Formats: sequence, structure tokens, C-alpha cells
Amino acid sequence: TQLLEQSPQFLSIQEGENLTVYCNSSSVFSSLQWYRQEPGEGPVLLVTVVTGGEVKKLKRLTFQFGDARKDSSLHITAAQTGDTGLYLCAASDDYGQNFVFGPGTRLSVLP
Amino acid sequence: DAGVTQSPTHLIKTRGQQVTLRCSPKSGHDTVSWYQQALGQGPQFIFQYYEEEERQRGNFPDRFSGHQFPNYSSELNVNALLLGDSALYLCASKSLILSYEQYFGPGTRLTVT
Repeated sequence: TQLLEQSPQFLSIQEGENLTVYCNSSSVFSSLQWYRQEPGEGPVLLVTVVTGGEVKKLKRLTFQFGDARKDSSLHITAAQTGDTGLYLCAASDDYGQNFVFGPGTRLSVLP
Repeated sequence: DAGVTQSPTHLIKTRGQQVTLRCSPKSGHDTVSWYQQALGQGPQFIFQYYEEEERQRGNFPDRFSGHQFPNYSSELNVNALLLGDSALYLCASKSLILSYEQYFGPGTRLTVT
């Protein structure tokens, strides 16, 4: 069974601070997705990374896929209260036929 | 362009009853997956439908069944409800051709009492 681990489980920071959250596995994946989920809503896709070592930027968010395609990180610069939410990573095998989710990192950005 | 839609939004059922949840995929998508998300956890894959057939299944009992219609919409049925079935049920759709990205609906919150 392919498993994804995420760390930290919880993170509470002040507005304006930087942070990094991690997603790790012992398995190699063909792609990895990051989602943000707010309470009572479905996850919203932020980014998909498919190439080992790939870095993608989305405004203040920087996503990196590890060289071996077993891990990924999400870095947020100058966090805002609107960044508060549950950050989930999900990985898929070839052709995206089977998605596995991590347990998530719950981020709270305080004003 | 409508995204993924789900109905109902909330549902309360009694232990032992049966429930049907519905999902309409994003326009242009032909593959629908269902997930169960318990409070404080990540989504757990239930099954995936493509061309009206179940293509992949997660570690869920046979009480969980589904269906996909010719218009690509889908239903999730759960029989003999248990208290532990209380969760947010999420539907996600994608195009099989563009395989890596799936988009989620808002979910159905099921409470079993």
C-alpha cells in the first residue's frame, strides 16, 4: 500500500511569516498534486508536478517535487490570513488511475 | 462552465438505512471518483468509474456501490449504514486523456445517528 506522510500535522503562524510543509513517501509516483481545503468544502487543486526536481510557483506559493519523485514541499512566502486551511498532497501512479492522499497539514495564519 | 456538483449538501440517516449520493462531473470530464473523508483526515479513495464501469476500487466493503450514467454523472450508494460511515463524501472528476488532474465537488456531509 502506498502511503503519504505530511508534516507538520498542525502549524500556526503570524501573518507575514514564511513557512514550508512537506509530503513524503517511500514510493515513487508519476505525479503529485497539492490541494487546499476549507472546512465543509471540497479540496481545491493548487498545482500538479510530474517531473523530478520540478519547481512551480503560484504567486506566493512555491512547490517542489523531489528529484526521486518520492517527496514534495510547499513553501508559502509572507503568509496571509486567507492562506488558512488544510493543505493536502495527493499522488498518483501511472496514468493517474489511483490517487492516494496524505492526512494533510492544517495551517492557521493569525492576523 | 460548471464545475463538479454534488447533491444533497447535507444528509442525516439512521443506522441500518440506505443512502444515495449524486455527482455531476465538470464539463468535458468522463471519469468520476468517490472519496470518503472522515473528520480531521485526508480523503480515502472509494472507487472510480469510467465508461459506466467500476475501474478501480479502494479498501471499502461491498456495502459501498456505485453507478455511472451515459451522461457521465454518478451515484454512490451505501447500504446498511453504520455510525462510522459518517463523513464528508467527495466526488472528483477528470478527463482520462489528461490524467493527472482531478477536480472536486463541494461534498455531501453524511451524518449517521
